[in-house]
Amino acid sequence: GENVEQHPSTLSVQEGDSAVIKCTYSDSASNYFPWYKQELGKRPQLIIDIRSNVGEKKDQRIAVTLNKTAKHFSLHITETQPEDSAVYFCAGYNNNDMRFGAGTRLTVKP
Amino acid sequence: GAGVSQSPRYKVAKRGQDVALRCDPISGHVSLFWYQQALGQGPEFLTYFQNEAQLDKSGLPSDRFFAERPEGSVSTLKIQRTQQEDSAVYLCASFQTGEYGYTFGSGTRLTVV
Repeated sequence: GENVEQHPSTLSVQEGDSAVIKCTYSDSASNYFPWYKQELGKRPQLIIDIRSNVGEKKDQRIAVTLNKTAKHFSLHITETQPEDSAVYFCAGYNNNDMRFGAGTRLTVKP
Repeated sequence: GAGVSQSPRYKVAKRGQDVALRCDPISGHVSLFWYQQALGQGPEFLTYFQNEAQLDKSGLPSDRFFAERPEGSVSTLKIQRTQQEDSAVYLCASFQTGEYGYTFGSGTRLTVV
């Protein structure tokens, strides 16, 4: 099955700086890579996703890049704000099998 | 319904007690997943249903864990003879065939004392 690794486990940035979270996956057949944001005590919420036929996708301050050859994908948050503070999870999906990374706790300091 | 509903929101069980956790997916969603999320960890796959068929239960940690979805809508995750290591948040997610995005429920936080 799929194995997803995520780095770093914690990330602290100053408000206004950029944050980058990286994930690698093992199953070359995986074709969909979502990112979830989870605030304390709340459910994971989908914030952006990318499919395997696309190399990059952007939505306002959030972007995701995918390198299929290297089997890694990254989340980029620009102009970070304190409300971006949360745990972020990447995931890889293939054939009804969604596996998550261990998460990155992002702290944005005002 | 408008979202995935889970109940109870919190459950405290004495060690050895049986518990049942309920998930009510988005109406019409064919696929339903259960995940276990330990404190500070990512969601770990437990089991997957397509309609009433349990297609994958490889993530269930032991035979004390049992899940069902008899009519292809509401699902129940049952844990027998609970142990302290079962303490976690149990998340349910559903999606419709052809759509990739999951919608998660709010989870049930199980604490075994």
